[in-house]
Amino acid sequence: DTGVSQDPRHKITKRGQNVTFRCDPISEHNRLYWYRQTLGQGPEFLTYFQNEAQLEKSRLLSDRFSAERPKGSFSTLEIQRTEQGDSAMYLCASSDPGGADTQYFGPGTRLTVL
Amino acid sequence: RKEVEQDPGPFNVPEGATVAFNCTYSNSASQSFFWYRQDCRKEPKLLMSVYSSGNEDGRFTAQLNRASQYISLLIRDSKLSDSATYLCVVKLGYGGSQGNLIFGKGTKLSVKP
Repeated sequence: DTGVSQDPRHKITKRGQNVTFRCDPISEHNRLYWYRQTLGQGPEFLTYFQNEAQLEKSRLLSDRFSAERPKGSFSTLEIQRTEQGDSAMYLCASSDPGGADTQYFGPGTRLTVL
Repeated sequence: RKEVEQDPGPFNVPEGATVAFNCTYSNSASQSFFWYRQDCRKEPKLLMSVYSSGNEDGRFTAQLNRASQYISLLIRDSKLSDSATYLCVVKLGYGGSQGNLIFGKGTKLSVKP
């Protein structure tokens, strides 16, 4: 499968714990986006990378959230000191600006904070 | 005001029906427009881009009215497999904050036999 992959698919954690998610984009895509989706809402933008550079962060991304893309390939999203309000689906998307710049989404990581 | 607003739904229609979804966006600087489809507990998938002249892909027709900041999606001869949530999406530009997608809440469609 050459699509966007995310790991883990599901994560259950206790409030206050740290969690880390991984996203592997489509190999030739140099743009990578993170979104968050809660029940009954559309996805909301969190942050964006072009290659290894994090170029934009939404105000939704509090200080407890950090994202990296160290080699311009896979990306990680870490949430420190999780809160119940962090429970959501975390979606990663990638795009190729040389093409139509269409964003293709991964299957998401569903986080439940107890 | 939400940046992208959609019909609240849900839409419950019989097979073979024609159904129309409407969407409005608030930022007149929006450059690109899309409809994404999302099945239950799955990721959004691009259904079609929306062009100023309107465009059609099989049973699906999308329209854009820039003056009214209005986007529509028409599904003809609906199938059971069309049951999903349809997300109206806009993008301000390319790259950085201009490149991220702005989603509506989505409209749920349920096609019944």
